[in-house]
Amino acid sequence: DTAVSQTPKYLVTQMGNDKSIKCEQNLGHDTMYWYKQDSKKFLKIMFSYNNKELIINETVPNRFSPKSPDKAHLNLHINSLELGDSAVYFCASSRRQLLTDTQYFGPGTRLTVL
Amino acid sequence: KNQVEQSPQSLIILEGKNCTLQCNYTVSPFSNLRWYKQDTGRGPVSLTIMTFSENTKSNGRYTATLDADTKQSSLHITASQLSDSASYICVVLSGGSYIPTFGRGTSLIVHP
Repeated sequence: DTAVSQTPKYLVTQMGNDKSIKCEQNLGHDTMYWYKQDSKKFLKIMFSYNNKELIINETVPNRFSPKSPDKAHLNLHINSLELGDSAVYFCASSRRQLLTDTQYFGPGTRLTVL
Repeated sequence: KNQVEQSPQSLIILEGKNCTLQCNYTVSPFSNLRWYKQDTGRGPVSLTIMTFSENTKSNGRYTATLDADTKQSSLHITASQLSDSASYICVVLSGGSYIPTFGRGTSLIVHP
């Protein structure tokens, strides 16, 4: 029944490691997103994919690479993790692109880099 | 620079009382403004969306207003319930781009 799911919910890792976060939506939406919520609670968009095509890349370091194997999945791979990457990462989806459609958010993945 | 400022940063009220949260923005050009509710440990959930021509929009006990001239919005919560305890986030989308600007949120605590 879960509309947008993310795994894992918590991720604790050492600096320099590579990790992935998975996201799946069963809403049949065309567009998926990754957001980062920092310790001050600001949400910031990182990436947006529409029908597996990248449409937004908000000056995110190259260490972050999204991968969309199909319309229902958008995974986030992070290389060489840094302390500043510690945050909560949210996946979201919308029926079409961002302008008018409601976004549905996943539960978040709390990443802690030690 | 596009910015969204929310006030107050936090608010504590008693169950059953009303409250109003404020959002000021400098995003230009303007496309739409959304209010989200984010429960602790969960993702944001959309409450309302307002376009340039809309002044008021309601969703149950939540009523959002928009003054596009002064670039201000408010979210009024009527007859608050314990379950209203959450962070309320104002998000403004600029026209012509797909980049939303998020406010920091107002943390609301409703006490019995």
